[in-house]
Amino acid sequence: KQEVTQIPAALSVPEGENLVLNCSFTDSAIYNLQWFRQDPGKGLTSLLLIQSSQREQTSGRLNASLDKSSGRSTLYIAASQPGDSATYLCAVKPLLVFGKGTKLTVNP
Amino acid sequence: EAQVTQNPRYLITVTGKKLTVTCSQNMNHEYMSWYRQDPGLGLRQIYYSMNVEVTDKGDVPEGYKVSRKEKRNFPLILESPSPNQTSLYFCASSKDHGTYNSPLHFGNGTRLTVT
Repeated sequence: KQEVTQIPAALSVPEGENLVLNCSFTDSAIYNLQWFRQDPGKGLTSLLLIQSSQREQTSGRLNASLDKSSGRSTLYIAASQPGDSATYLCAVKPLLVFGKGTKLTVNP
Repeated sequence: EAQVTQNPRYLITVTGKKLTVTCSQNMNHEYMSWYRQDPGLGLRQIYYSMNVEVTDKGDVPEGYKVSRKEKRNFPLILESPSPNQTSLYFCASSKDHGTYNSPLHFGNGTRLTVT
């Protein structure tokens, strides 16, 4: 059974800092891995999708990497801003199992 | 605008009173699914549908029903709601489930309270 773990559960950083969020999964037979952002009480917004054959994807200040063999993905956020404060979740396909997320707080 | 639309956004009801949460997508997606999100438990899949007239149970299907009569709609039905179904519900869709670059799109959620 696929299990997805995100560590840490919460992270607080000062504005401007570069940071890394982690996502690990137990079954490497994945189609893709998707990173989402969720603001309190709101829906999930897709940030990046990495196909199983890819090593990384970039969008603006975000960079996601995938190491399928070790069952790990990281989301790198450069020059963090208070507006980045949210919960970040990862999910792997095909079973669409979600991690419980990392709650990020960026302090001005 | 491409989107997944859920209604209602908020719903308060009483135990045993049947309710339906609607979900509609305008992207011609084949795959649709329902999740519930609870503190400490994360997102758990209730039901999913690979295409019209094809539905299957997720991890927590008890107490819920779904139907997929049309491609764009995937309603979630609670025949006899109970307080343990108080949760935040999300509908999601993707182009299909088999391709590697098919992202999942979420609705804005329905916060259900059952008293």
